[in-house]
Amino acid sequence: NAGVTQTPKFRVLKTGQSMTLLCAQDMNHEYMYWYRQDPGMGLRLIHYSVGEGTTAKGEVPDGYNVSRLKKQNFLLGLESAAPSQTSVYFCASMLTGGTEAFFGQGTRLTVV
Amino acid sequence: QQQVKQSPQSLIVQKGGIPIINCAYENTAFDYFPWYQQFPGKGPALLIAIRPDVSEKKEGRFTISFNKSAKQFSLHIMDSQPGDSATYFCAAGHGYSGGGADGLTFGKGTHLIIQP
Repeated sequence: NAGVTQTPKFRVLKTGQSMTLLCAQDMNHEYMYWYRQDPGMGLRLIHYSVGEGTTAKGEVPDGYNVSRLKKQNFLLGLESAAPSQTSVYFCASMLTGGTEAFFGQGTRLTVV
Repeated sequence: QQQVKQSPQSLIVQKGGIPIINCAYENTAFDYFPWYQQFPGKGPALLIAIRPDVSEKKEGRFTISFNKSAKQFSLHIMDSQPGDSATYFCAAGHGYSGGGADGLTFGKGTHLIIQP
């Protein structure tokens, strides 16, 4: 099993450009999450989904949009990238009623 | 508002020593307290977790101590090894009550170095 796979692994964007980060999981998990990790800030929840077709805001949702059209995929979109969105983005998934979150390897995004 | 406070930010310990990382939480509704371990270039991975009705949990060389009245919990690594060098995150959530869907609240992390 691949677990949680994030695409791409690295990306450099210019301010104002848009992009989509893809997260795919093959564990049939209902819950999926997008976190961002910044130095000295830990991991902060951006958006999450409790099932196909549902999404909800986390702690730091501004400037991001998400979609969960298929159970196995959770997309994170940046419509107009800003330097403040330079970060490492992690996707995670969890089984319904479970406790352990499984993380992907991360996407390092730089906005110049 | 930081709901989970973690200290220290960084820690250097000699091989065989016992690093201790501390966390404090504010929300008494949390009922699940995991520790995640992250190596450079990798995603965090669950190391050990505890629920608030238990005061201590051991898994191998890793021990969580939990103080419900003080709203604090800590990670101890016995007989630490250079391979334990990583960033450690404490977290809190509602996992055991079935409300874990809304994710975990993480501390800011501790960069641990175990010197040979």
